[in-house]
Amino acid sequence: AQSVTQLGSHVSVSEGALVLLRCNYSSSVPPYLFWYVQYPNQGLQLLLKYTSAATLVKGINGFEAEFKKSETSFHLTKPSAHMSDAAEYFCAVGAGNKLTFGGGTRVLVKP
Amino acid sequence: DAMVIQNPRYQVTQFGKPVTLSCSQTLNHNVMYWYQQKSSQAPKLLFHYYDKDFNNEADTPDNFQSRRPNTSFCFLDIRSPGLGDAAMYLCATSRDRLAQETQYFGPGTRLLVL
Repeated sequence: AQSVTQLGSHVSVSEGALVLLRCNYSSSVPPYLFWYVQYPNQGLQLLLKYTSAATLVKGINGFEAEFKKSETSFHLTKPSAHMSDAAEYFCAVGAGNKLTFGGGTRVLVKP
Repeated sequence: DAMVIQNPRYQVTQFGKPVTLSCSQTLNHNVMYWYQQKSSQAPKLLFHYYDKDFNNEADTPDNFQSRRPNTSFCFLDIRSPGLGDAAMYLCATSRDRLAQETQYFGPGTRLLVL
């Protein structure tokens, strides 16, 4: 069975500071990993995904994530936070015909 | 732009009064999903259609049903909404039913039950 754990349900960062959102997964097969962002009262939008092509994955809006098999992690980073990054972020693992989501991390960006 | 569309964006219904939520897609994807998302929680998969093949999740209550009359449209029917069914309902699509496939989400319908 697959599972995803996101450390920290809330993260507060200053505008211009590094954004780091943590995601650890458990999977019995090579995983396919996703990061989605959800703005208030909106659906989920794909930021990036890992499908074994490269361990460092670049996504939209300046985000990237690194797949580390030894640590079973897929942490999301952005070098410099912008006010528009305030949202909820979900890490997910694809398995079979479904996505298994982590609990989400809400990001607050302080001016 | 190709997209996933959900109508209405906000729906108010009364306790026990049947309600239908609508989803359409212009991506021509084979798979359509319905998720329930309660406040500050991750989306929870209710069921999905692979083409015309309906796949229910084991823990989805019987109160929730779905119809997919054609490739483009999918409906979520809640036969007798309870207060606990108030949530955001998300429709998503994917090209195929594979682990690496991206799911594309609509904007959601927020359901309020009075």
